[in-house]
Amino acid sequence: DTAVSQTPKYLVTQMGNDKSIKCEQNLGHDTMYWYKQDSKKFLKIMFSYNNKELIINETVPNRFSPKSPDKAHLNLHINSLELGDSAVYFCASSRAEAMNTEAFFGQGTRLTVV
Amino acid sequence: AQTVTQSQPEMSVQEAETVTLSCTYDTSESDYYLFWYKQPPSRQMILVIRQEAYKQQNATENRFSVNFQKAAKSFSLKISDSQLGDAAMYFCAYRSVDSGYALNFGKGTSLLVTP
Repeated sequence: DTAVSQTPKYLVTQMGNDKSIKCEQNLGHDTMYWYKQDSKKFLKIMFSYNNKELIINETVPNRFSPKSPDKAHLNLHINSLELGDSAVYFCASSRAEAMNTEAFFGQGTRLTVV
Repeated sequence: AQTVTQSQPEMSVQEAETVTLSCTYDTSESDYYLFWYKQPPSRQMILVIRQEAYKQQNATENRFSVNFQKAAKSFSLKISDSQLGDAAMYFCAYRSVDSGYALNFGKGTSLLVTP
């Protein structure tokens, strides 16, 4: 059983398109995250949701909109894709109150905008 | 805001030898948690070791250990008896309530293991 699964694994799309990346966790965690890893491998937090409530919204363009229909899912929708959006996007989950415990990551989605 | 600095973009170690990856962080908080994650070419993020700031004892997990110096805000990772499978990107990360429970990562150190 995959703990945190995100789909698709690879996504190639043209500039200007709208796309979504889905994420699901079966660990019973109450907090989910989206991270962006750029071409230099730098991992940066984009959003954090705790019990479906947004608690972190870093400086991310409005074209990025997370949606959490329930505690087990956090999807990422991106409008009007730009070349600079090309990156690997990671979903993760954890238990907020148990901060010493592991955050589990999905396998990443490599987004390529052409 | 908390910042995490990994000053070594790349490191190299021979198989069976020991290597230390450095990490420093900046925070005004007293309660926080530190982690090392490994990212092999498969892209999967794997937890290597964790340390609670309130614990003075350095964490150890098999061949992996940390040197946690709270006053110096330093959290280095030592890998003993290096193996080819240890080759990966290693990320130091900080987590606290003020970080919104999220991990703040350093820029990573790419570790090469040579036979």
